[in-house]
Amino acid sequence: GQQLNQSPQSMFIQEGEDVSMNCTSSSIFNTWLWYKQDPGEGPVLLIALYKAGELTSNGRLTAQFGITRKDSFLNISASIPSDVGIYFCAGLSSHSGNTPLVFGKGTRLSVIA
Amino acid sequence: EAQVTQNPRYLITVTGKKLTVTCSQNMNHEYMSWYRQDPGLGLRQIYYSMNVEVTDKGDVPEGYKVSRKEKRNFPLILESPSPNQTSLYFCASSITSGSGRHEQFFGPGTRLTVL
Repeated sequence: GQQLNQSPQSMFIQEGEDVSMNCTSSSIFNTWLWYKQDPGEGPVLLIALYKAGELTSNGRLTAQFGITRKDSFLNISASIPSDVGIYFCAGLSSHSGNTPLVFGKGTRLSVIA
Repeated sequence: EAQVTQNPRYLITVTGKKLTVTCSQNMNHEYMSWYRQDPGLGLRQIYYSMNVEVTDKGDVPEGYKVSRKEKRNFPLILESPSPNQTSLYFCASSITSGSGRHEQFFGPGTRLTVL
């Protein structure tokens, strides 16, 4: 099936630093979603992107839908300890939503106070 | 509160003993899905349902069954669990087509151990 390459796999950063992670695909997606998963919890939706080139913010988080529709990135500015967790990208290739959501394998973020 | 609920949250069972994990959503979503999450493998889809009485296999359906008799519920059934089904399971739901929005919302997870 389709696959998403998410990088980096893990990051260790100092509190206050900015973070950037990305997902790439060999095929086109029409929707990109970014989730965060805290330990022992289900993934929580952070940002949804629906148009190529779209740039959307949610507080200190900013995500962009790549122009080629084959990639997306997520930035976190001024990281804080509660940003710790696993961040997943997910892509949907169908406009109608009748194809499965494809997930990246996640970026594990650790923030050192 | 709009949410996806799963029960039980934790389950330890033995090989071959049939079990059901329930999933319910109160958002009137058409689309529901089951995933398993394993270290190093990420989230893998087991089964999904586009609407009532419509179910389809995902990437890893072997050993699982589902049913969608009503819109809000989507139980996951393991007829004869085996140790390789030890995993963290997530149910998810989303509204599809027409709205143009496809955000999936996840339940809190069910940690299953099969001895």
